[in-house]
Amino acid sequence: AQKITQTQPGMFVQEKEAVTLDCTYDTSDPSYGLFWYKQPSSGEMIFLIYQGSYDQQNATEGRYSLNFQKARKSANLVISASQLGDSAMYFCAMRARGNNRLAFGKGNQVVVIP
Amino acid sequence: DTEVTQTPKHLVMGMTNKKSLKCEQHMGHRAMYWYKQKAKKPPELMFVYSYEKLSINESVPSRFSPECPNSSLLNLHLHALQPEDSALYLCASSQEGGQPQHFGDGTRLSIL
Repeated sequence: AQKITQTQPGMFVQEKEAVTLDCTYDTSDPSYGLFWYKQPSSGEMIFLIYQGSYDQQNATEGRYSLNFQKARKSANLVISASQLGDSAMYFCAMRARGNNRLAFGKGNQVVVIP
Repeated sequence: DTEVTQTPKHLVMGMTNKKSLKCEQHMGHRAMYWYKQKAKKPPELMFVYSYEKLSINESVPSRFSPECPNSSLLNLHLHALQPEDSALYLCASSQEGGQPQHFGDGTRLSIL
């Protein structure tokens, strides 16, 4: 079974500053994928970034980067230069290879303030 | 714009009504999903279709009935729902093999 842990309380972030969202996971599968999703108050679930368990380099997508520390089983999301539109709930998720189940963490609420 | 399209965006129905939620994707994905999400909670998996066959049913009550008419379409038929079924219903699709799931904008369902 896979388990994702996101424990940070709601966060307020100053516009233009960077923010790190913590995610730890637990799995016995040797091959898996890690994902971050953004969900604004309007409800759509937006895929942000993906990290494969065998990827040697940390994933980056524009202002999003994933700090992957396999030995620590952590996959923290870093958002650089926060914008007001980044205010949302952020979910960390993982999926074992060959398994269609996506395990979600409880989410982190981020509010960006001007 | 999302590549997974869900209709309707909002639905209000009584407990005796029958309605359907629809989902469409044209990304060539062979796996499609239904999730239920309550406010401030992560999505909960309901059903998975893989190559148009139901592969996962997470013990969902029979008042929810999924259907996959073809590889691009996914329906969720609703009948005799309860007030606790009020939620955001999300559809997603993906390639097989660990690739990201892409979600639609969801249908906000309210049961009166």
